[in-house]
Order: sequence, then C-alpha cells, then structure tokens
Amino acid sequence: GENVEQHPSTLSVQEGDSAVIKCTYSDSASNYFPWYKQELGKRPQLIIDIRSNVGEKKDQRIAVTLNKTAKHFSLHITETQPEDSAVYFCAAHSNTGNQFYFGTGTSLTVIP
Amino acid sequence: NAGVMQNPRHLVRRRGQEARLRCSPMKGHSHVYWYRQLPEEGLKFMVYLQKENIIDESGMPKERFSAEFPKEGPSILRIQQVVRGDSAAYFCASSPNLAGVTDTQYFGPGTRLTVL
Repeated sequence: GENVEQHPSTLSVQEGDSAVIKCTYSDSASNYFPWYKQELGKRPQLIIDIRSNVGEKKDQRIAVTLNKTAKHFSLHITETQPEDSAVYFCAAHSNTGNQFYFGTGTSLTVIP
Repeated sequence: NAGVMQNPRHLVRRRGQEARLRCSPMKGHSHVYWYRQLPEEGLKFMVYLQKENIIDESGMPKERFSAEFPKEGPSILRIQQVVRGDSAAYFCASSPNLAGVTDTQYFGPGTRLTVL
C-alpha cells in the first residue's frame, strides 16, 4: 500500500516569513494530493489540493508543488500570519484504491 | 448546504459499554470515510462506505468495531465493549465520489470519545 511521509514534524517561523512542508509518497498510482489544516480541537479543513496532471497550484498565500518523478509534493505558505498556526496534514489518494493516506502532520507555529 | 454533521460531539463511556457514533454526510454525498485520531497524532483510516455497502474496512479492528451506512439515515460507527485505548477523536468525512474521479473529502467536527 501507499506510504506517506511528512517533514518536518514541527516548524516555527517568524511572522511574515515563508513556511514549507514536504511530503513524499511511495505509490506511483497516486494522483490526488490534498492538504488539510487542523486547529486545536477542530476538524481538518481542506486548504488546497493538486492532481497529478499539474505541477503547481496557487491560492493567494498558499501554493502546492508536485514532482511526480520524485514522488514528492510540498506546501508553501508565504507571508505567514499568527492565524496560520495549526497542524497541517498532507494526503495521497489513487483512483485504483479506496483509502486516503495521511502524513503524520506538521505543527506550525508563527511567532508574532 | 450544511456540512458534514457528527453527533454526539463528546461521548463518555465506562469500560465495557457500547459507543455509537453518527455521521451525516453533506447533501449529495454518497460516500463516507471514518478516521481515528489519537492526541497529537495523524488521522488513521478505519473504514470506507457507500450507501448500504462497505467498500474497504481494512483499517478497522476485526473485533468490537463495526460500521454501517444504511439507505436512509446517518452512517454509524459502533464500538462494543469499549476499552480505555478506544479513547480518541473519531472523524468522518464525506465525498460525492463521482465515477472515475477522486473527489475531495470534507470532514465533520468529530466525536471525542472518552472511556473511563
């Protein structure tokens, strides 16, 4: 089955700086990669996703890049703000399977 | 359009009791996933269902756990004879799952189960 690894597990940045979170996957059939933000005690919220037919997608301060050859994808948050502080999870899914495989999460702290 | 609903939000049970967790998917969504999340850990897949059918239950323990998604009503995750190790947040997510396309799943607010 698929194996998704996520790094780093914790990340602290100064307000206004950029944050990058990286994930790797093992199953070359995976073709859909969502990112979720989870605040303490809340539900995971989809913030951006990318499909394997594109290499990059951007939504305001958030962008995701995908390298299918290397089997890795990354979340980029620019001009970070304190409200970006949360745990971020990557996931991978294949149309040939049923499960979404989640990374172990990155706890992001934005220091004012 | 209401989002994914889960109830109860908090559930306290004593060891040996049964826990029933309910999930109502978003309108128009016919597929439901259940996940378990331990404190400060990731989301662990448990089971994937569509109406009246279990698609994949490979992440669900074989004993004490069961899930259903009837034609009418919410999906239910049932844990019999709960033990302290069952204490966790249980999230469900729903998706429309259009044929041939992986669709985004949207999460409910979760049920926090505490076993005393």
